[in-house]
Amino acid sequence: QVQLQESGPGLVRPSQTLSLTCTVSGGSIDSGTNYWTWIRRPAGKGLEWIGRVYTTGSTDYNPSLRGRVTISLDTSRGQFSLTLNSVTAADTAVYSCAREQGVAGAPFTGWFDPWGQGTLVTVS
Amino acid sequence: SSELTQDPAVSVALGQTVRITCQGDSLRRYYASWFQQKPGQAPLLVIFNRNNRPSGIPERFSGSRSGDTASLTITGAQADDEADYFCNSRATSGDHLVFGGGTKLTV
Repeated sequence: QVQLQESGPGLVRPSQTLSLTCTVSGGSIDSGTNYWTWIRRPAGKGLEWIGRVYTTGSTDYNPSLRGRVTISLDTSRGQFSLTLNSVTAADTAVYSCAREQGVAGAPFTGWFDPWGQGTLVTVS
Repeated sequence: SSELTQDPAVSVALGQTVRITCQGDSLRRYYASWFQQKPGQAPLLVIFNRNNRPSGIPERFSGSRSGDTASLTITGAQADDEADYFCNSRATSGDHLVFGGGTKLTV
């Protein structure tokens, strides 16, 4: 079955760029109606949807992060990536990647399955 | 603040029924999905499209909606159900997804 694994630096300096990669195994990243998604959970807070990339490469982002975030797809490597610019301490969080199962005619489903284990990124 | 509100903690006696709720205006229009997360594990989808269970999820898990509140019901709670549960849905604006703050279930 499909599995996801996040990777990237655990420490980022303020004002710098956070970059993470999610590797998809057990299935093709460019097949089906799947949205490849990034989600984060700041310490002591609830989950925040960051954004997603479709198999075609089109993207959607959380309005609260639009302008700082980019999500891209690398089908040749079976990976998708997150870039977040101009980070501050408020961006410290556990970052997780997940697959959102899409349905024709439904812009969003919220059916995240599976998820990666998550990786802690500290801005300091 | 989150668009979806959940009680921080709920407890249930072994074998009894418990309802975990998720409240928000967007739920009047969009269905919620529900996730279970145990310590050190990735979240697991347990209910989608209001009341559908992925393969492998026990029948004791069910979902429903009334007005602006979605509910996850566990009928005959087991010790293994002790976990954090959180909901999600489309935002009221329709252009992104939002999550509830999560409910810690103690069995």
